[in-house]
Amino acid sequence: SQKIEQNSEALNIQEGKTATLTCNYTNYSPAYLQWYRQDPGRGPVFLLLIRENEKEKRKERLKVTFDTTLKQSLFHITASQPADSATYLCAILSGGYQKVTFGTGTKLQVIP
Amino acid sequence: EADIYQTPRYLVIGTGKKITLECSQTMGHDKMYWYQQDPGMELHLIHYSYGVNSTEKGDLSSESTVSRIRTEHFPLTLESARPSHTSQYLCASSESGGGAFYEQYFGPGTRLTVT
Repeated sequence: SQKIEQNSEALNIQEGKTATLTCNYTNYSPAYLQWYRQDPGRGPVFLLLIRENEKEKRKERLKVTFDTTLKQSLFHITASQPADSATYLCAILSGGYQKVTFGTGTKLQVIP
Repeated sequence: EADIYQTPRYLVIGTGKKITLECSQTMGHDKMYWYQQDPGMELHLIHYSYGVNSTEKGDLSSESTVSRIRTEHFPLTLESARPSHTSQYLCASSESGGGAFYEQYFGPGTRLTVT
């Protein structure tokens, strides 16, 4: 069966360090993968998209990698800040046409 | 700020009542989605639409129904609410075309409690 897995346990890191979150998928061959941020009680907000032919994508302090051989995407936040504390979701396009499946999300806590 | 709106934001209602959750977007997006999310849990797609008069069921079975008579409007209806329907409902929309994977814009959500 198709699965998208992210670390279910919360990730706690010290302010200023780099946070790395993992998204693993099975039985998908996605052409695209997205990352979103979700704050408590609110809808997710889009952060980055990466295509299968892109190994890496950057936006300010954010970096995403996409390894289609390992079936994994890594999401990095450098110089993390307490304001980065949130749940981060990866999402894959599936079902042949624009049906989006979200991962379980990883909660990040940046400690001052 | 995304131009996608949901009303009501909070709703407490008794078992057996019929309810409609409203979702509207002003971005002219063809694709719209409804997700269900319990606190601290993952998003589950319950309905989606490619455009006017098109609706499909998502991955999570839901007793709700949707309609898409206008591009900007995608309401979700529960004919008879039950306590098991208590959850947060999130509406989203995205562009379409070209086989690309466009970002989804989410509304603020409706937190539904059925007593």
